[in-house]
Amino acid sequence: QQQVKQSPQSLIVQKGGIPIINCAYENTAFDYFPWYQQFPGKGPALLIAIRPDVSEKKEGRFTISFNKSAKQFSLHIMDSQPGDSATYFCAASMLSGTYKYIFGTGTRLKVLA
Amino acid sequence: DTGVSQDPRHKITKRGQNVTFRCDPISEHNRLYWYRQTLGQGPEFLTYFQNEAQLEKSRLLSDRFSAERPKGSFSTLEIQRTEQGDSAMYLCASSLGLRDEQYFGPGTRLTVT
Repeated sequence: QQQVKQSPQSLIVQKGGIPIINCAYENTAFDYFPWYQQFPGKGPALLIAIRPDVSEKKEGRFTISFNKSAKQFSLHIMDSQPGDSATYFCAASMLSGTYKYIFGTGTRLKVLA
Repeated sequence: DTGVSQDPRHKITKRGQNVTFRCDPISEHNRLYWYRQTLGQGPEFLTYFQNEAQLEKSRLLSDRFSAERPKGSFSTLEIQRTEQGDSAMYLCASSLGLRDEQYFGPGTRLTVT
């Protein structure tokens, strides 16, 4: 019940395409869902986060769509660029307690020039 | 640069040796987390501090691992009698008490030979 399942494992898109990364969870106590971007040899960097009281959130070229009833959320990257090539992780946490994150297994994105 | 620093960035040690890592969180953040990330996986929670109190430890944190956060400032993670299975990236993150975003440091890459 503590798992967050992420798909696909890897993704290749052309420049300007819209890659979509999906995550699903079981624990209904999760109520905060961040997305992180990680480049090789670096720590994860926060991209965008959402709470389940909204169905969509946009920040720049990044959009989170959230489906509370299906317990699924996804990241969309608009007008993707080669510089977006990185590994993306979804995560979930409960706002009570320690706020620790449960991470998905990651999606390696490659944007072709 | 998120403002979270970790030292050293890389550590190579022989099996059986002890190692210690340091994390300096963003100065006003009172919550500090340690995660471990192995190749191709998402970060996994190890332990959590609120100020100087260690409030949660994962089952992943065997008795060879110990963490401290004296005076609620920097934190150290020590691994005694290292094993090859300890080879991983050790990540530190910090957050404010009333907010949810965790900001990660660049990590310490441990290689046990």
